[in-house]
Amino acid sequence: GESVGLHLPTLSVQEGDNSIINCAYSNSASDYFIWYKQESGKGPQFIIDIRSNMDKRQGQRVTVLLNKTVKHLSLQIAATQPGDSAVYFCAETSAGGSYIPTFGRGTSLIVHP
Amino acid sequence: SQTIHQWPATLVQPVGSPLSLECTVEGTSNPNLYWYRQAAGRGLQLLFYSVGIGQISSEVPQNLSASRPQDRQFILSSKKLLLSDSGFYLCAWSELRRGETQYFGPGTRLLVL
Repeated sequence: GESVGLHLPTLSVQEGDNSIINCAYSNSASDYFIWYKQESGKGPQFIIDIRSNMDKRQGQRVTVLLNKTVKHLSLQIAATQPGDSAVYFCAETSAGGSYIPTFGRGTSLIVHP
Repeated sequence: SQTIHQWPATLVQPVGSPLSLECTVEGTSNPNLYWYRQAAGRGLQLLFYSVGIGQISSEVPQNLSASRPQDRQFILSSKKLLLSDSGFYLCAWSELRRGETQYFGPGTRLLVL
């Protein structure tokens, strides 16, 4: 797919700042969304998810916002720490669709101490 | 709890040699299983997925093949490696009913020389 061949966009922040990572999706039938964190040399790890009947979901230092009108998903990280430096991927699936989530391009988050 | 294992962690192989990467899942039954490839600084490319023993679906034509000889075992193979097969290979599993959340293994770094 298109997301596979493109270099990842990068977001640089200072330690302690809040980070916002964005993701756009195109399938209006998508009803389940996931954010993953991938540290260098490791597999992606589940961070937080949200279903389409919700607009917002909070975890520990992370918040996911879903705007179905404009098909936009964001991940907010509060008080970003150097350990948050990683690549972040969003993924979407749709009820009645295949077993396969569609992954976004990924965003590289760099946190400067 | 569920765990997913991949081995080897790193592999250096000459062009034209065979390949066998193994993935096993513990703590769940009848999982969906997936193989992804990730080039450096790129997104995730789905290679194969399986919804049951002996059932393999290929997403992209290529030099690789996959097999599922047991419920919780997924193998990625090649008879003759190409330079372009180099990359980071990730195995993932999800619940059988729907894809939804995928849980990734630690990955195998393959370098073909």
